Amino acid sequence: DQQVKQNSPSLSVQEGRISILNCDYTNSMFDYFLWYKKYPAEGPTFLISISSIKDKNEDGRFTVFLNKSAKHLSLHIVPSQPGDSAVYFCAARDNFNKFYFGSGTKLNVKP
Amino acid sequence: DVKVTQSSRYLVKRTGEKVFLECVQDMDHENMFWYRQDPGLGLRLIYFSYDVKMKEKGDIPEGYSVSREKKERFSLILESASTNQTSMYLCASSLAGRGEFYGYTFGSGTRLTVV
Repeated sequence: DQQVKQNSPSLSVQEGRISILNCDYTNSMFDYFLWYKKYPAEGPTFLISISSIKDKNEDGRFTVFLNKSAKHLSLHIVPSQPGDSAVYFCAARDNFNKFYFGSGTKLNVKP
Repeated sequence: DVKVTQSSRYLVKRTGEKVFLECVQDMDHENMFWYRQDPGLGLRLIYFSYDVKMKEKGDIPEGYSVSREKKERFSLILESASTNQTSMYLCASSLAGRGEFYGYTFGSGTRLTVV
């Protein structure tokens, strides 16, 4: 059973608007959450992370929000740019430094 | 800059062949991982290793084995390739320890097609 889920396989957003990518998890022992970005024919690259003791982390246009009571994580991209078009994976780390990945959301930012 | 290098970007093999996928990292990372990525399934962990000569099964180890004879190299072996092993294979590495956050650094991936 997947411990990290991304229920939206794809998302389409107009350039300049906000992109919101969502992720749900089941294990309350996860202590770090991350977002990776992946372009076709490339490996995933680290984007942003958040510790379980925080509820928000911001890095430029990217903000990650964590709602522990709901076991929900979201990534906000503002403003969205065509170069942000990629597959985004959320991941969570357990007590053994093992990461669990969601199935990914393909973001398309239209010019 | 941390580099994780996978020896092949694209590979085509025949059913029943023994296949070796090589991964080398140059930052003295203790931990190394092999994932496969399939549409709709995300990244699934095949095997991982926290030290030389050490290996642990991930979520989908069937049909695979691994070798870690040196710290910088982690090899994934398909003992007898089958068509359902056609996939994108991703190698990753990270530092050990839990005191601080250590994310993964991924290689560029190997697209394996088994015919």
